[in-house]
Amino acid sequence: GAVVSQHPSRVICKSGTSVKIECRSLDFQATTMFWYRQFPKQSLMLMATSNEGSKATYEQGVEKDKFLINHASLTLSTLTVTSAHPEDSSFYICSARGGTSGSADTQYFGPGTRLTVL
Amino acid sequence: GQNIDQPTEMTATEGAIVQINCTYQTSGFNGLFWYQQHAGEAPTFLSYNVLDGLEEKGRFSSFLSRSKGYSYLLLKELQMKDSASYLCAVSHLSNDYKLSFGAGTTVTVRA
Repeated sequence: GAVVSQHPSRVICKSGTSVKIECRSLDFQATTMFWYRQFPKQSLMLMATSNEGSKATYEQGVEKDKFLINHASLTLSTLTVTSAHPEDSSFYICSARGGTSGSADTQYFGPGTRLTVL
Repeated sequence: GQNIDQPTEMTATEGAIVQINCTYQTSGFNGLFWYQQHAGEAPTFLSYNVLDGLEEKGRFSSFLSRSKGYSYLLLKELQMKDSASYLCAVSHLSNDYKLSFGAGTTVTVRA
């Protein structure tokens, strides 16, 4: 199997607050997890790559101090959006690599978190 | 770098066949994925091609030509539930198996 969960599915917060999103691989150990964001009618944009026990690798243009990633175990990665602003409103999706289906490259996606910052 | 192109939209009738093409230009090609994404939901894995040829999986088939930098996803016996966005994604040899996604093709199935 290759099931990835994500929590919360939807969050609305006030500007200036921080929001934590959890990503879990439920039935496999994820060697690598990825965080994406997606704006309406656009494709997925990779934000960062997260390996268990090491610092995340951020894509160009993504602020590491604003989007804090912690990969505490082989089944859990968290993304914290610090001091959120309305422009951070988006659909955040995590994925995990390491399931037994497909190939070693295959990424399995969580259901996504829709963040709305007021 | 990478450049992945796929059509923006396609419309087809229930029961018909639709072919979604994807062309790519990338360094360090390692494989090509197709994902299905319904509106407001996360992508779900459909297929993976690393060698040239056709991979068939039920009503969905995917083809790859590495020399031409070309792939297609074939959807047969279309059903209304197949209305979704279909994402072509390329895997790279370097750096943690990152995927680069095309913009997606929105397929609308009409009765």
